[in-house]
Amino acid sequence: DAMVIQNPRYQVTQFGKPVTLSCSQTLNHNVMYWYQQKSSQAPKLLFHYYDKDFNNEADTPDNFQSRRPNTSFCFLDIRSPGLGDAAMYLCATSRLPGGQSTDTQYFGPGTRLTVL
Amino acid sequence: RKEVEQDPGPFNVPEGATVAFNCTYSNSASQSFFWYRQDCRKEPKLLMSVYSSGNEDGRFTAQLNRASQYISLLIRDSKLSDSATYLCVVTPLRSGGYNKLIFGAGTRLAVHP
Repeated sequence: DAMVIQNPRYQVTQFGKPVTLSCSQTLNHNVMYWYQQKSSQAPKLLFHYYDKDFNNEADTPDNFQSRRPNTSFCFLDIRSPGLGDAAMYLCATSRLPGGQSTDTQYFGPGTRLTVL
Repeated sequence: RKEVEQDPGPFNVPEGATVAFNCTYSNSASQSFFWYRQDCRKEPKLLMSVYSSGNEDGRFTAQLNRASQYISLLIRDSKLSDSATYLCVVTPLRSGGYNKLIFGAGTRLAVHP
């Protein structure tokens, strides 16, 4: 009954080698988010899609890109991973518009990225 | 100043203890408030929403003080399974049609036998 699925769960890449992380959802939610969480730190929003509209956070490095080919899938592309990009990457979804209940975000299990 | 601040802990408590976590937020226009729980190397999961009137869910009680910009979580009769990191989360005034979650760095709780 997985609702937000992330693949792979663990990803190892080399310094500078492009990597793509994927997220899919069975909730039919219109908003999908990507967060970066480093050890002992808060999850940090990188960007989100509201339907097909892409919204980048002001401090998200250009090295991070995203694609959402359809409602169910969203990808995070890291063009040239650096050692500082090693982190857990969390995908989340929510449904908008609406009331209080729509503030709930459903998180996937995350992809842990290691950069060698 | 961080938008959401929490004591990182760890809080080491015996089973059965009562433990309280505090959180402060900087944006007085913040709209919604939550506590999330995150187990080691897992994703955050919503524990409960927080309302000005206070709300309780079993052993968990959450309280919001808008005037002081302060949120609390009280856990009574701690269980070993309560060991986790508790994340305080705030959403600013909604803009652009989406709800942005601002996370605190979390407070780690370790319950021991």
